[in-house]
Amino acid sequence: QVQLVESGGGVVQPGRSLRLSCAASGFSFSSFAMHWVRQAPGKGLEWVAVIWFDGSNKYYADSVKGRFTISRDNSKNTLYLQMNSLRDEDTAVYYCARDLGLPGYFDHWGQGTLVTVSS
Amino acid sequence: DIQMTQSPSSLSASVGDRVTITCRASQGISNYLAWYQQKPGKVPKLLIYAASTLESGVPSRFSGSGSGTDFTLTISSLQPEDVATYYCQKYNSAPWTFGQGTKVEIK
Repeated sequence: QVQLVESGGGVVQPGRSLRLSCAASGFSFSSFAMHWVRQAPGKGLEWVAVIWFDGSNKYYADSVKGRFTISRDNSKNTLYLQMNSLRDEDTAVYYCARDLGLPGYFDHWGQGTLVTVSS
Repeated sequence: DIQMTQSPSSLSASVGDRVTITCRASQGISNYLAWYQQKPGKVPKLLIYAASTLESGVPSRFSGSGSGTDFTLTISSLQPEDVATYYCQKYNSAPWTFGQGTKVEIK
């Protein structure tokens, strides 16, 4: 069965960096585009970034452009999100999600990892 | 960028009621519209894609319709387990924008 497991969240000071990982299993990871979506406490869903199945294309939300970098290692079945220059407003649960369509909807989501930006 | 606007933001209905949630795109998106359900403390779950196609395993009381700019999610007979926040999402191109969500409660 499809499994997506995020890790790397934690408490970090404003201006610092953090790298999230999403380990995929149960499907051919290298065949699917992958996304990061976040949800601030008590708020709605916000799309963050996407990477094509082969890493050839990447797109970002305006709110993270220039600070966050999405990447993947298909040999390790792992998706990453490098987050630099973190701000208070980046505090959220970060989910990875599989894209079924490119562009497509999200048919599987991870359990999420909490990132808290606080001094 | 295309904006997605849901209404209402919240609603309260009785068990067995018919519930309708609307989602409007600021520009046409054909049928590249998905609906997700997020129960309290849980991960979002795909309900409907291509505006009206029910995801496998989703109860048939859920249905979707619309094309272009106006879409609806209908729950034909609200059940206690349907208490959740529902989100629409466009996926025709970047950014993959979500609506702000509609919180559904039982009266």
